[in-house]
Amino acid sequence: SQQGEEDPQALSIQEGENATMNCSYKTSINNLQWYRQNSGRGLVHLILIRSNEREKHSGRLRVTLDTSKKSSSLLITASRAADTASYFCATLSGGGADGLTFGKGTHLIIQP
Amino acid sequence: GAGVSQSPRYKVAKRGQDVALRCDPISGHVSLFWYQQALGQGPEFLTYFQNEAQLDKSGLPSDRFFAERPEGSVSTLKIQRTQQEDSAVYLCASFVGTNTGELFFGEGSRLTVL
Repeated sequence: SQQGEEDPQALSIQEGENATMNCSYKTSINNLQWYRQNSGRGLVHLILIRSNEREKHSGRLRVTLDTSKKSSSLLITASRAADTASYFCATLSGGGADGLTFGKGTHLIIQP
Repeated sequence: GAGVSQSPRYKVAKRGQDVALRCDPISGHVSLFWYQQALGQGPEFLTYFQNEAQLDKSGLPSDRFFAERPEGSVSTLKIQRTQQEDSAVYLCASFVGTNTGELFFGEGSRLTVL
């Protein structure tokens, strides 16, 4: 079963605009990760935020985590056509390598 | 190798055939995961290896699915008597340690069962 639920399911914006995607999850977590998947390709890790962190930045990416609301957001600033992809949040629960639980993803389309 | 390698990239099987999907993880990575991704969905966990030990196979959908990693490096996911509902992309991912951080994914093997 999939724990994370991304919102929106699909997002279409103009190049240069910011894109915000949200993720909600159900159980307590050790960390939350965001991945990108281009069509027909494998997943690429973007950023990891631990349960005791509230915000993290990496280049044009900004991730927030609110453990009280069991939610996270991924912000991509100054979007580019190459950012067109599906974005998944994934959570790690439990004490070890139980495997990440992925959401259904947000399909982001950047219009040039 | 430089990344996680999966083969074949595409496999078409007739219903009832057996298939074997191979994953070659990043050299030295202890942990190896198999995921199943249906069209338009996120990846769903199938099984996890730490070296050659299969520590979790709770995600395998039926006893037709079998995975092994006999020498702690290359892994094979075998599906016996394939059914149409087995059609999906099968993703392999590896991780250097044992407490999951960033996973490195292969490109996946797309299985189509006719």
